[in-house]
This record gives sequence, structure tokens and C-alpha cells, in this order.
Amino acid sequence: GQNIDQPTEMTATEGAIVQINCTYQTSGFNGLFWYQQHAGEAPTFLSYNVLDGLEEKGRFSSFLSRSKGYSYLLLKELQMKDSASYLCALTGAGSYQLTFGKGTKLSVIP
Amino acid sequence: GAVVSQHPSRVICKSGTSVKIECRSLDFQATTMFWYRQFPKQSLMLMATSNEGSKATYEQGVEKDKFLINHASLTLSTLTVTSAHPEDSSFYICSARWLEGGFTDTQYFGPGTRLTVL
Repeated sequence: GQNIDQPTEMTATEGAIVQINCTYQTSGFNGLFWYQQHAGEAPTFLSYNVLDGLEEKGRFSSFLSRSKGYSYLLLKELQMKDSASYLCALTGAGSYQLTFGKGTKLSVIP
Repeated sequence: GAVVSQHPSRVICKSGTSVKIECRSLDFQATTMFWYRQFPKQSLMLMATSNEGSKATYEQGVEKDKFLINHASLTLSTLTVTSAHPEDSSFYICSARWLEGGFTDTQYFGPGTRLTVL
């Protein structure tokens, strides 16, 4: 089975940097994904990590450590529109089915 | 990135009726599509995996006779909620699997369908 943990809520200030952590336990690992979901909307793909290390994409970066079962999403230069839920998800070995964490609701304040 | 559309975006129906939701991959062929359900303030729960030309695989606890899935082509999958009841009211989201460059295996989501059963 798979278990994914991430904080329920976080608050950060506009222009700042925020790191959203995700820890997981899984019997097999294929890849780890981060999605952004605004209220009432479907998730939007942000990043995908399959190897250890940092993947940078503009203001968003995602890090993975497979040995520690740990990932984080780093958001820089926060904007008000970044207020959303951020979902950590993973696929198990030999599978392309996503298992989602419960999401972290990020509130960006002025 | 890949674009997935979903129709309708919102539907209100009476209890006992059936509702069909369409999911289309617009600029790529998706051999595999997924159907999720999301209740308020909860995460996405996978309902079923839909493979083109074969029967869908349902997750435990999901009634296959109630949630009919048809994946008739490489760009279209449909979910029909039969004999809908108020407890079926939820946000239904589809996704399509895209193998980008033979390496990045990603799911792209449709915009979702909000179903309200009265």
C-alpha cells in the first residue's frame, strides 16, 4: 500500500518563499508528482520527479529523496494567485495510477 | 502541455436519473484515462481506470454497474452515473495519461464536472 503525508494548511506572505513538504511510505516507487488545485477546479500538473534531486521550473522547484521517502515543493516570489491546494501524488512500481495525499492548502497574504 | 476537456462542467439532475460525463484528450491520444471523485475538502479518490478498447478497472468499493465507463476511442472516455442519488453529488474529474518523450509519464486533468443530485 501507499501512505502520503503533507501538512493540512500553510500561510505565507506575498513575495516570500514557502516550502511544502511531503513524506510517503510505499511498497514500490515509480515517480512523485506535484499538482496545484484552486478551489472548485481540477488539478494542474506542476512537476514530476523520478530521480533524486531538485527539478526547477521557473518559480516552482520540486525535490525528491527516494531513500528518505521525502519530497518538497518550493515556491518562490509568492503571488496572491498561488493561494491554492498543493497535492503530492505518487505512482507505485510498475503502475501509472496516481495516489494523492490530502493536499496542503496554502494561503498567501499581503 | 496536453489539454483535456470535460463536458458538462455542471449538471443538476433529479434522483433516479442517469447522467453522462464526457472526457476528451484534445491534442494527444490517450490509451489510458482515469476517473476520480472528490468530495468537499477531501483529496481525489480514484474510481476507475479506463483503457481504450477494453473494460474499465474499478477500484474497491466502486460499483461498476452504477458508474458505467466507456472508452470507445483514443480521445474519448465517458462516465455514466446511473440511477443517481443525492449521495452521488460530487466533483467528478477525469485525467488522461500522456507519455511525453517516452520518459515523463504524466496525467493531465480535465476541468471537472460538478454533479448535484436533488
